[in-house]
Amino acid sequence: AQSVTQPDIHITVSEGASLELRCNYSYGATPYLFWYVQSPGQGLQLLLKYFSGDTLVQGIKGFEAEFKRSQSSFNLRKPSVHWSDAAEYFCAVGTNTGTASKLTFGTGTRLQVTL
Amino acid sequence: GAGVSQSPSNKVTEKGKDVELRCDPISGHTALYWYRQRLGQGLEFLIYFQGNSAPDKSGLPSDRFSAERTGESVSTLTIQRTQQEDSAVYLCASSQESRLAGANEQFFGPGTRLTVL
Repeated sequence: AQSVTQPDIHITVSEGASLELRCNYSYGATPYLFWYVQSPGQGLQLLLKYFSGDTLVQGIKGFEAEFKRSQSSFNLRKPSVHWSDAAEYFCAVGTNTGTASKLTFGTGTRLQVTL
Repeated sequence: GAGVSQSPSNKVTEKGKDVELRCDPISGHTALYWYRQRLGQGLEFLIYFQGNSAPDKSGLPSDRFSAERTGESVSTLTIQRTQQEDSAVYLCASSQESRLAGANEQFFGPGTRLTVL
């Protein structure tokens, strides 16, 4: 069965500093990988996704993520964090099971940004 | 257009009562998903509807949980005889049909916060 691990429960960075959120997955086939952000009181919003091709994917709000098959990782990065980036970030793997489809989420990383 | 909507936004109920949670997906989206998010935890898949196919109920935690969907529109998640452990945010998502079903972007609603006293 597939699984997603986000080893960092809580990260604090200063505004303007760089950010990297870690994500490791376990899945037997080529994964479809996603990063979602959940701001307080709001629903989940897709930041970016990887299906195939270029292993470095660009997303919204200046985020990017790199798929590394050898490390089973899909880490999220941003070169300069803004205070509005404070939120909970979820990595997910999408899988097919016949006609079924589901996302398996990690437990999330809560990002705090200090001014 | 409108996004995924859910109602109610908050629900407080007493242990043992039944509750119904509603989800209105984005128009034209054939797939609909329910997830549960307990405090401080990730999202837990509950159930998935895709068109006229039999739903994938593999994530439902017990027979107290059930869900229905009318065609390709509204879905209702019902929890019978609620327990305190059912307290969580219940999220609904919808997506378009695609040949690569596992690669579909899911659009999430704001969730229903359920509190069982």
